[in-house]
Amino acid sequence: DIQMTQSPSTLSASVGDRVTITCRASQSISRWLAWYQQKPGKPPKLLIHMTSNLEAGVPSHFSGSGSGTEFTLTIDSLQPDDFATYYCQQYDNYSPTFGQGTKVEFK
Amino acid sequence: QVQLVESGGGVVQPGGSLRLSCAASGFPFSVAPMHWVRQAPGKGLEWVAGISSDGNSYYYADSVKGRFTISRDNSRDSLYLQTSSVRLEDTAVYYCAKEAYTSGRCGPFNIGGQGAMVAVSS
Repeated sequence: DIQMTQSPSTLSASVGDRVTITCRASQSISRWLAWYQQKPGKPPKLLIHMTSNLEAGVPSHFSGSGSGTEFTLTIDSLQPDDFATYYCQQYDNYSPTFGQGTKVEFK
Repeated sequence: QVQLVESGGGVVQPGGSLRLSCAASGFPFSVAPMHWVRQAPGKGLEWVAGISSDGNSYYYADSVKGRFTISRDNSRDSLYLQTSSVRLEDTAVYYCAKEAYTSGRCGPFNIGGQGAMVAVSS
């Protein structure tokens, strides 16, 4: 299976900060990467697919980049609604795997 | 609007069985590959199983292969997960998920509903 490693595991930030979450794949996945946001007690919400394509309704201060084995999710000007846990997911093959998650918390 | 409603969760003893169901609406279910994704308490997400739109192809995570069976009934817009020989580590919230795009890949997912909680306990 392709292993997905996110860093950091926890990130302390303030409203207005620019935050970056990194996701590394154990082998090349081209651009077959998605990002999800999850809030407590809720199902994960798809934010970005194909590395950099924002889902409809996702604010433009979210962005994704990367290819191969290194990917980033950037949140420009963190908003109160953005405090949540974020997961990356590779779907390069028929055994999709998720990163372990990054919790963005209030500093 | 995609709606996925899971049911059938509960407490089951190790070695036991449970059948989860997912009622889908808001999209043409019969053309959508579907999946189950689970989340153990306080832990991350784990893909469990997937099934093609016609039900003829299916895929499983190694952790459940040989113990869980995914199926669907397109006439009822429903997805199922039959669990058997359950283990303590199968304790999790089980989410039904729709492939968001017809990319020919296992993902990305629209993970819907509140999930079905399966607690394996003696």
